[in-house]
Amino acid sequence: GAGVSQSPSNKVTEKGKDVELRCDPISGHTALYWYRQSLGQGLEFLIYFQGNSAPDKSGLPSDRFSAERTGGSVSTLTIQRTQQEDSAVYLCASSKTGQDRVKEKLFFGSGTQLSVL
Amino acid sequence: AQKITQTQPGMFVQEKEAVTLDCTYDTSDQSYGLFWYKQPSSGEMIFLIYQGSYDEQNATEGRYSLNFQKARKSANLVISASQLGDSAMYFCAMRVPFSGGYNKLIFGAGTRLAVHP
Repeated sequence: GAGVSQSPSNKVTEKGKDVELRCDPISGHTALYWYRQSLGQGLEFLIYFQGNSAPDKSGLPSDRFSAERTGGSVSTLTIQRTQQEDSAVYLCASSKTGQDRVKEKLFFGSGTQLSVL
Repeated sequence: AQKITQTQPGMFVQEKEAVTLDCTYDTSDQSYGLFWYKQPSSGEMIFLIYQGSYDEQNATEGRYSLNFQKARKSANLVISASQLGDSAMYFCAMRVPFSGGYNKLIFGAGTRLAVHP
C-alpha cells in the first residue's frame, strides 16, 4: 500500500481480555517495528522484525506480549490478559531494509489507541 | 548506553518567529544518524529532517534546519518563521545498531510546541 496501515484505529477492551493489533507495512519494506507511546510520553521500542524473524524482542514488557509477522508483510501484536497499564497508543513503522546504519528513516502508521477498562 | 534527551517538555513561540528545540544524545558509536519527527494531534509521526554523524554540513529541509554540534553531542532543531500548523509534539531520535547488523530508532521524550498567533 501507499503507507503503513494499522487496525483498528481504536480498541476498547476489558481488563483480562486478549487483543490483537494489526500492522500492514509499506509494500516491499522488509523491516517492521512496533513502538508503544503512553499518554504524553515518548516512544518505547517493543520489537523489530526483519522479514518474518524477530532479531530484537528486547522491548516486550512482559510475556503477555507477543508478535508475529507472516509472509514478510503483515504483523500482529497480541496482548494477552490485558491490564490497565497496557493502555497506550501502539505505533507500527516500516523501513526499506533496516540494515543501513544511519540513513534509513522509518515510516509510521497512525497507531492503534488501546484503552483497557 | 545510548540515550536521547529532550529537556524542554513544552515551548511557546509567536507566529513568524524562529524557535529552537533542544536535543542531546549519548552514544559510543562513531557512525550514527539523528532524526526529528513531528507528531500533530492526529497522532501520525511525520519525518522532518535527518543528520548523519559524518555529514559536514548541517541538514536543512525548507523551514527546518538542524544545528548539529558533534563535540557537544547536540542536534537541535530550528524552525524558522513558525506557523500555526507547527503546533505539535516534536521527537528527536537516534539510529542505534544492535546485533546482526540491524538497527532501530530510539526516541527522546518529546517537546510540545505551541505556536501563538
